[in-house]
Amino acid sequence: NAGVMQNPRHLVRRRGQEARLRCSPMKGHSHVYWYRQLPEEGLKFMVYLQKENIIDESGMPKERFSAEFPKEGPSILRIQQVVRGDSAAYFCASSPTGTSSGDTQYFGPGTRLTVL
Amino acid sequence: GNSVTQMEGPVTLSEEAFLTINCTYTATGYPSLFWYVQYPGEGLQLLLKATKADDKGSNKGFEATYRKETTSFHLEKGSVQVSDSAVYFCALVGGGTSYGKLTFGQGTILTVHP
Repeated sequence: NAGVMQNPRHLVRRRGQEARLRCSPMKGHSHVYWYRQLPEEGLKFMVYLQKENIIDESGMPKERFSAEFPKEGPSILRIQQVVRGDSAAYFCASSPTGTSSGDTQYFGPGTRLTVL
Repeated sequence: GNSVTQMEGPVTLSEEAFLTINCTYTATGYPSLFWYVQYPGEGLQLLLKATKADDKGSNKGFEATYRKETTSFHLEKGSVQVSDSAVYFCALVGGGTSYGKLTFGQGTILTVHP
């Protein structure tokens, strides 16, 4: 059973460009989560999605950031007009259900975004 | 809101030494508690978890006990190996916030020398 897949693993963008990060959850998992890890810091929650629904986006910056998890295909985290402060590692996680607080979230290898 | 505090790092030990990484939390209700490990250049891997008070999670020689009276979930290992060198994160979920939102501590860097 393949784990959580993220691509690209490394992404370089110039200021003002758009960044699209993709996440394919583990087979059978319908809940996806995105986290950001800034240099020398822990992970910060960004958004929690189910298929076609955003459940909790309390960690998403109000501007330039958006996320979706369509009925078909991977989840996408989109950052418009990137700035240097967006440089970070972005991790996706998935779980089979989100209704139990004991559910384990399984993490992907991350996408390391560098903004020049 | 929820918060997790880990002991300051980095921690440097010799092989076969005893390891303790302290973790305390603030949350309402009854959160579930986790330890994740991150090896260089990789994503996070679940190390162990506990879902209710007095539960002990264990894996690969690591242990942690959910102590509600002291709101703690300290990670221990009796004899560390060089291969245990990594960053360790304490985290919680639930406890008054959405079940999807893992709250992480700042991470503790562990380096084990031969």
